[in-house]
Amino acid sequence: GQQVMQIPQYQHVQEGEDFTTYCNSSTTLSNIQWYKQRPGGHPVFLIQLVKSGEVKKQKRLTFQFGEAKKNSSLHITATQTTDVGTYFCAGLNQAGTALIFGKGTTLSVSS
Amino acid sequence: DVKVTQSSRYLVKRTGEKVFLECVQDMDHENMFWYRQDPGLGLRLIYFSYDVKMKEKGDIPEGYSVSREKKERFSLILESASTNQTSMYLCASRWSGGAGTGELFFGEGSRLTVL
Repeated sequence: GQQVMQIPQYQHVQEGEDFTTYCNSSTTLSNIQWYKQRPGGHPVFLIQLVKSGEVKKQKRLTFQFGEAKKNSSLHITATQTTDVGTYFCAGLNQAGTALIFGKGTTLSVSS
Repeated sequence: DVKVTQSSRYLVKRTGEKVFLECVQDMDHENMFWYRQDPGLGLRLIYFSYDVKMKEKGDIPEGYSVSREKKERFSLILESASTNQTSMYLCASRWSGGAGTGELFFGEGSRLTVL
């Protein structure tokens, strides 16, 4: 079945370092969404990418959607302790009815 | 702000018990979802509903059923709880109209322990 894969599973950085998580789908995606889950919290929507090759920025976060619409990345510049959490990507299932989530990348930041 | 409310944050049940997890959203969203979250496995879709009385199986429906009698309420039912259903259960809703897929709004989660 359709799979959305994310790497790495865990990443530890020093505060101020950059961080990137990658998302790959086994099928072409109509769009991709990114969510952040803080420790003890629930996933919160960050952004949606729709167009091939799309790049969007939110302050220190940069989101990219691949040209083939099968991969995506989230890059955080100069991480802060507030960036700690698990980042999930999600794409529509083949029927177009529900989101399938990657397993997430858990980011820890030491100051 | 959209609010998705799950009835219980923490539950402890015994093997074989029937368990009801309730979810209510206040934004008139058509679509509602139940996911379970386990360490290292991410969020896995159990069931979803795109309208009242409609339901669709997700990736892991075995051992679960759902009910959507009213638009704002989506219930997850474990007919006979088993220890492998110990997990965090997350309810979500979204509006189905407009461009794109529509973001999911999640509840706070219900952590179920089955002994």
